[in-house]
Amino acid sequence: EVQLLESGGGLVQPGGSLRLSCAASGFTFSTYAMSWVRQAPGKGLEWVSVISDSGDNTNYADSVRGRFTISRDNSKNTLYLQMNSLRAEDTAVYYCAKRFIVLTGTAFDIWGQGTMVTVSS
Amino acid sequence: DIQMTHSPSSLSASVGDRVTITCRASQSISTYLNWYQQKPGKAPNLLIHAASSLQSGVPSRFSGSGSGTEFTLTISSLQPEDSATYYCQQSYNIPYTFGPGTKLGIK
Repeated sequence: EVQLLESGGGLVQPGGSLRLSCAASGFTFSTYAMSWVRQAPGKGLEWVSVISDSGDNTNYADSVRGRFTISRDNSKNTLYLQMNSLRAEDTAVYYCAKRFIVLTGTAFDIWGQGTMVTVSS
Repeated sequence: DIQMTHSPSSLSASVGDRVTITCRASQSISTYLNWYQQKPGKAPNLLIHAASSLQSGVPSRFSGSGSGTEFTLTISSLQPEDSATYYCQQSYNIPYTFGPGTKLGIK
C-alpha cells in the first residue's frame, strides 16, 4: 500500500525549532519529487516547499524561505522539514505529499495524514 | 505569484443535483490546473489533474474543464459523500498556489 506517515509535530515556543519527518512506503521514493503543504486551523491549503527526487533542487514559499529547510534521505525513504525561527503564523497541520508528473504540469497524488505544529508561548 | 480564486465560496445542493464550481487564475496557466477534495480532519484527495484528467479511482461523476484562466469542476449527480471542500491548485510555476476553496454542503 502506498503510504506517507508524518511525525515530529508538537507545541513549540516562538523562535523555536522543530523537525518534521515523513516516512514513505509502497512506492519507489527516490524517483519522485516531494513537497510539504500546510493548513492553518480553519484555513485553506498553502504550499510550503518542494525537493527534487535526488534532493539536488529545492524551492520554498516566500513565507518560509530562510527559516525552513527541506531535505530527504532516499536510503531511508524519508522526507524532512527543518523549521527554525518559528512564528505563531506557522501554526498549522503539515502534510507531506508525493508529486507526480501529469499531462500538463504536476500534481500531488499521495498525501500523509498530517502532523500538527503549534507555535505558542 | 499566481493567485487563484473560487466561486462560489460555499454552496448547498440536493442529492442528484448537477454542481459546478469555478476557479480562476490571475494569469494564463494553460491546463496546469488540479482539483482536490478535502473532508474535515482528512488530507486532500486528488480528483482531477491537468484540468480535465480524472485521477485513477475517482468516480466518473466528477469532471473538469477549462484552460487559460477559467476552470470548472462539475459533479454530474451529487451524492451525500461529496460534502467537502474543493480546492483548485496551479502547477504552472512555483510557488504552487491553491485557491481558497469552495465548501459544498448537502441540503
